[in-house]
Amino acid sequence: DGGITQSPKYLFRKEGQNVTLSCEQNLNHDAMYWYRQDPGQGLRLIYYSQIVNDFQKGDIAEGYSVSREKKESFPLTVTSAQKNPTAFYLCASSAAGVTYNSPLHFGNGTRLTVT
Amino acid sequence: KQEVTQIPAALSVPEGENLVLNCSFTDSAIYNLQWFRQDPGKGLTSLLLIQSSQREQTSGRLNASLDKSSGRSTLYIAASQPGDSATYLCAPYTGTASKLTFGTGTRLQVTL
Repeated sequence: DGGITQSPKYLFRKEGQNVTLSCEQNLNHDAMYWYRQDPGQGLRLIYYSQIVNDFQKGDIAEGYSVSREKKESFPLTVTSAQKNPTAFYLCASSAAGVTYNSPLHFGNGTRLTVT
Repeated sequence: KQEVTQIPAALSVPEGENLVLNCSFTDSAIYNLQWFRQDPGKGLTSLLLIQSSQREQTSGRLNASLDKSSGRSTLYIAASQPGDSATYLCAPYTGTASKLTFGTGTRLQVTL
């Protein structure tokens, strides 16, 4: 079945450590996105990529980094510079940019806890 | 800046009821609007996408309408079932930075 796989489901890290969240899709989608979800808030965009080797900052990119070396993969690194990293992280993809009326497909998320 | 409000924040109904979830947005210059469902601890599932030129979109027991000029969309769920229990989120797209703006959702519980 085609879909988006995020791993791990739960991740625990000590403060000051960098951590990388994995996102892989086999939908052959061009565009991929990372969102952060906090209780009582809407999803907020961290980074997005519309094509391999290119990505743009979203609303809350500070303290995060990404790469897009392959079409199917879009890993997110949460660095020690992110002041409040504990959150639920969601990866999504779409066949083309949202401009082209392509619905978003989401993975099942990674819950990151930093202590 | 686009702001999205979903009312009510939570809703509990008995099985079989028809119900309406509301979504309002401040910037009416949207390209499309998506409705999603989220189960606890899971990702989002796309339910319906309404293009700016459309007034309605239907999928099974779900019907979404869009009134762009007034900045409103509604999701109508017919003959609700316990399996419909989830959080429903709307997300209009205004073409800025290729991003959707998400509401905080309506948490729906359908009881037996």
